[in-house]
Amino acid sequence: AQTVTQSQPEMSVQEAETVTLSCTYDTSENNYYLFWYKQPPSRQMILVIRQEAYKQQNATENRFSVNFQKAAKSFSLKISDSQLGDTAMYFCAFMIARVSTAGKSTFGDGTTLTVKP
Amino acid sequence: DSGVTQTPKHLITATGQRVTLRCSPRSGDLSVYWYQQSLDQGLQFLIQYYNGEERAKGNILERFSAQQFPDLHSELNLSSLELGDSALYFCASSLFPGELFFGEGSRLTVL
Repeated sequence: AQTVTQSQPEMSVQEAETVTLSCTYDTSENNYYLFWYKQPPSRQMILVIRQEAYKQQNATENRFSVNFQKAAKSFSLKISDSQLGDTAMYFCAFMIARVSTAGKSTFGDGTTLTVKP
Repeated sequence: DSGVTQTPKHLITATGQRVTLRCSPRSGDLSVYWYQQSLDQGLQFLIQYYNGEERAKGNILERFSAQQFPDLHSELNLSSLELGDSALYFCASSLFPGELFFGEGSRLTVL
């Protein structure tokens, strides 16, 4: 079974600063996907970034980037130039890239990030 | 707009009642997932369907059931409701392999 652990229940950062959210996972699979989702106060789940395990290059999306360490099974999210609108709960998620599992995902418990003005 | 439609957005009902939540996935997505999120909690996986067949089951209570229809829309049925069933219920769909696209959720309040 796959597990996803987010060890930081809550974090805060000053506006314009950089913050890193941690995520570790456990799996015996070799092919998988990792995601970060954002859930703002509106409660909508929004995809922030995705990483394919076979890719060595870390994914980036504007101010969001990841540090993917496959051997260490670590997948952290870095938010640069934090903005007030980044205040949200962030979920790390794992998906096996095998047809038989049809995309079942495992989510971490989430990290609540507060950006302070 | 994720393309996933959930109805109703809000629902208030009494203990012991039964409700049905509906989900229309994104066009072309064969997989539908249901998640439960209680207040300030994480996402609890309930059940997954792929092209009409149940593929995976999570911590879904026996009082809950779901199905996916030939047109790929899905319904989650919650019966004998209890106060603790009050939560936000998310539907998501995906075109495997790839990320999940979530609906806006159905907020259920049981009084």
